[in-house]
Amino acid sequence: EVELVESGGGLVQPGGSLRLSCAASGFSLIGYWMHWVRQVPGKGLVWVSYINGDGSSIIYAESVKGRFTISRDNAENTVYLQMNTLRAEDTAVYFCARDKFRGMDVWGRGTTVTVSS
Amino acid sequence: DVVMTQSPLSLPVTLGQPASISCRSSQSLVHSDGNIYLNWFQQRPGQSPRRLIYKVSNRDSGVPDRFSGSGSGTDFTLEISRVEAEDVGAYYCMQGTHWPNTFGQGTKLEIK
Repeated sequence: EVELVESGGGLVQPGGSLRLSCAASGFSLIGYWMHWVRQVPGKGLVWVSYINGDGSSIIYAESVKGRFTISRDNAENTVYLQMNTLRAEDTAVYFCARDKFRGMDVWGRGTTVTVSS
Repeated sequence: DVVMTQSPLSLPVTLGQPASISCRSSQSLVHSDGNIYLNWFQQRPGQSPRRLIYKVSNRDSGVPDRFSGSGSGTDFTLEISRVEAEDVGAYYCMQGTHWPNTFGQGTKLEIK
């Protein structure tokens, strides 16, 4: 079964850091673009970042540029999101998703990040 | 950034009746490769999003044929021919043509 499982979320103080992981199973990440999308509970979906198949192309939303870093380890079949200098407004559920035809065809269940003192 | 505007934001529908959601983009979604990368997602309460439609009108595997997408340029529509109870949730359009990718605000479908 094709699956994405996010982990690494939690409670962190403003200014702190977290590293999210997205482990793929049932398929190889090689060649697939991958995205991170976040959602404040009760609110809409917001695209965060993308990485292409070999990591040579990366784009970030303006709101996280310079603070978040997306990366991938195709050998480990995992995508990461390093989040630094976290702010209260980064509080959300973070989903990783596989890209197919420039849209997300497989989604994980999400991991919750709470930034609060 | 491309702004995606959905309407309505709330959609009460009687079971068995049709439903329609509009999505307008602030600029053309025609990519330089000639494709239009407009997607529709469904998010049931408490669940992750699920893609229904890609490239305007193509249904993803396993999506019932009561869901259909149409449109061109900057105006797009998701239609449900006969709403069922399991269709309750939020629906989002999303453009993948331009960076950053952007989502509409979401439309909440409920049963009357």
